Amino acid sequence: QSALTQPPSASGSPGQSVTISCTGTSGDVGGYEYVSWYQQHPDKAPKLIIYEVTKRPSGVPDRFSGSKSGNTASLTVSGLQDEDEGDYYCSSHGGAKNLVVFGGGTKLTVL
Amino acid sequence: QVQLQESGPGLVKPSETLSLTCSVSDFSIASYYWSWLRQPPGKGLQYIGRVYASGTTFYNPSLQSRVTMSLDASGGLLSLRLSAVTAADTAVYFCARSRPAYFFDYWGQGVLVSVAS
Repeated sequence: QSALTQPPSASGSPGQSVTISCTGTSGDVGGYEYVSWYQQHPDKAPKLIIYEVTKRPSGVPDRFSGSKSGNTASLTVSGLQDEDEGDYYCSSHGGAKNLVVFGGGTKLTVL
Repeated sequence: QVQLQESGPGLVKPSETLSLTCSVSDFSIASYYWSWLRQPPGKGLQYIGRVYASGTTFYNPSLQSRVTMSLDASGGLLSLRLSAVTAADTAVYFCARSRPAYFFDYWGQGVLVSVAS
């Protein structure tokens, strides 16, 4: 059982927006500005797309955005494209000193 | 460009020790923490721990009693040892560069390790 809770699936049509939630506690998501999001395609390594709740690494399209309210973080993908299909994982510092915890992942389908 | 590449045996027997290495290409290797994570087939990610060039380590409390990590900064080699493995340790193991804000910006491609007799 994962420390952070994500919906198992999400979907949207090309051009639409979709939001994926990540719910934790005050001991992780709610307590730190250290939420990050990763995109993973089949048989590939995860790719960092959001860090420190809202920041995007160089090269990540601005269609990807992050936010947080209380103990729940969210990833929004705007203007969905076929290549956005894949698994998305949230993570946060928390649970113990220096520990990183993950959500169970959300499978995003582009219809 | 930072590059990481895991290597090691793809099959380990139950109760034995899993040993993996990660070749790191990063001229600033000594300035970062380097982590191991794993992903059981069809499941989510789990953080195993991290190591700094000074030898400072942090291990996930759930694995702490069985994990050892080391970093040879001059040789660009990161190592993981996990003892007394069981089938529950079957996973794709990733090495990754850690940042102070608890995220991982560069990842290796991963190596599948199966635990079976």
